[in-house]
Amino acid sequence: ETGVTQSPTHLIKTRGQQVTLRCSSQSGHNTVSWYQQALGQGPQFIFQYYREEENGRGNFPPRFSGLQFPNYSSELNVNALELDDSALYLCASSLLTSTDTQYFGPGTRLTVL
Amino acid sequence: DAKTTQPNSMESNEEEPVHLPCNHSTISGTDYIHWYRQLPSQGPEYVIHGLTSNVNNRMASLAIAEDRKSSTLILHRATLRDAAVYYCILSFGRGATNKLIFGTGTLLAVQP
Repeated sequence: ETGVTQSPTHLIKTRGQQVTLRCSSQSGHNTVSWYQQALGQGPQFIFQYYREEENGRGNFPPRFSGLQFPNYSSELNVNALELDDSALYLCASSLLTSTDTQYFGPGTRLTVL
Repeated sequence: DAKTTQPNSMESNEEEPVHLPCNHSTISGTDYIHWYRQLPSQGPEYVIHGLTSNVNNRMASLAIAEDRKSSTLILHRATLRDAAVYYCILSFGRGATNKLIFGTGTLLAVQP
């Protein structure tokens, strides 16, 4: 079985631009969650998608949006980038129960200049 | 969301056992206790989880206090590859969402 993959690995943008990050879920998983990890901090939950619908959102503004596709791959979109958006963005795939393991990808390192 | 408290850092020697503590005094009856770890330059990886009883797997053991207000992750023989940030996380037990609320975790250093 293939693991969770994310692209790109690294990305540099300037303030005000828009960015799209991509995630391919592990085979058989119907749920994807996105997290933002600032340097030296634990990951912060952005939102979760279950069967193509948003299923929970953390304390992030609407300029953070997402999509989940029928093959359960996912995108994270961030509009009007701010300097504080510089972080490691992680996606995790799982089945939707509270005990199901979440499998994380290696992350995308976003730098906003 | 119920919160957890962990020491910022711990040190261990290689091939010795390591006990990583976690306090979760506001845990509710349906919260599961999860442990994940994050090795340098990688995404977090699952270690173990439990509800009330102690749990063992090939990576570690999880000891849960009788009142469930604390737990301890036990690495039986630390190796250099176990150097990582260890996160203790509570997840709501009714499955509406399985989001993980991370704290700052415990940075474990393993000395040769």
